Order: sequence, then structure tokens, then C-alpha cells
Amino acid sequence: DQQVKQNSPSLSVQEGRISILNCDYTNSMFDYFLWYKKYPAEGPTFLISISSIKDKNEDGRFTVFLNKSAKHLSLHIVPSQPGDSAVYFCAASTQGGSEKLVFGKGTKLTVNP
Amino acid sequence: GAGVSQSPSNKVTEKGKDVELRCDPISGHTALYWYRQSLGQGLEFLIYFQGNSAPDKSGLPSDRFSAERTGGSVSTLTIQRTQQEDSAVYLCASSLGLPSYLSNQPQHFGDGTRLSIL
Repeated sequence: DQQVKQNSPSLSVQEGRISILNCDYTNSMFDYFLWYKKYPAEGPTFLISISSIKDKNEDGRFTVFLNKSAKHLSLHIVPSQPGDSAVYFCAASTQGGSEKLVFGKGTKLTVNP
Repeated sequence: GAGVSQSPSNKVTEKGKDVELRCDPISGHTALYWYRQSLGQGLEFLIYFQGNSAPDKSGLPSDRFSAERTGGSVSTLTIQRTQQEDSAVYLCASSLGLPSYLSNQPQHFGDGTRLSIL
């Protein structure tokens, strides 16, 4: 029972273009969503988050969109840079409990120069 | 250090041995989490600490797994009588742990311990 799904295992884009990473969830109790970036042999690095009371959050080149009715969120990276190449994990939690994160399996992004 | 520190970074041991993994959270973070990532899988929650107590142990896969936290800081995850299926990267994370109605706080991860059971 996978509550957070990232259906694209990989994505390849050209430098300077937009990268769009998608994530779907099934548990309607989730109310806090995060994106992490992971390089090989390193731990996940927090990128950006969004609370369920919002539908958009922006931080520099990174924007996260949340569509609660569709139980869908996406991460936009504009413009994409070769250093963005990594595995991106979507995660969700329910506030007020243990706040444990439920992760998707990740999408490997490759940005080509 | 500024980040979450985990040791050892790599551990190779024989099946049946006990192992102990250590996590030093970010200073001032009251919440601490253990996750693991098995080959080809996403990150899987194991246990959560708020201070020294563990209100959520629901992710521990068997009674061979235990964890403790002392002084509201360092945590150790112990696996007894290791099995080959315990091979994974064990990740620790910490967060400020403020009450959720005040603000959402992201979890910050260490680089993990890669555990290999022969």
C-alpha cells in the first residue's frame, strides 16, 4: 500500500529548460508535503515544503504546487542546471501525530548541458 | 558540527551479530527520526523520538530492533542477531519538533550508515 507515489523513475531535461517532477498521494490526512534532493552516498537534503493550506510555495528556482482535490503535487525547477541532477523524493506527513515522513520511491533527474 | 552526524558511515558484519548505529542530531532539535532505505526502495520510517521518549515505534520491523535516546540528544539504533534482510542504509533525521500548530518544521538528514550483513 504505497501512500506516496512518484510514477516516473527518471526524467531527462536540457539545461535552461523547466524540470517538472510529479507526486501523487492517497491518504487524505496528509497535510504537509516536502521535496528532498539526494546525491549518491549522501543523505536527503531538504529543498522546499508546502502546507495543505496553500497551493503554491516558491523558493528561488524551485516552486511546489499542491492540488488537494487531485491529491497531486509537483516540483518545478526553472531554469534547470546540471548541478540539479540527483534523485528527488516527495514526502508527506500528518501534523499533530509523530510527523513521520512517508516517502515516494524517487525520480532521478538528469540535466544535460 | 552543523548537521546531523551518523556513525559509522559503513558497517559490514556477519549474520547473527549485533550492531549499534549512532546519530548525533542538530543541536537544539528535540525531534529525532530513524529511517532505512533498502536496495531499490524508498525511505521507510522506523521510529520517532520527542526528547527521550519514543511515542511512535510503529516502523520497527521486528523485536530485534530497538532504539534509545539519552539527554535529548544522541540516539542509538541497535539491531540484534542481524539477518541479511537487515542490509540497508540507515538514515537519521532531526527537526526542531515545535508543536505542529506553531509551524511546520522540515526534517534534516544525516548521510546514513550503510549496513551490510554477510
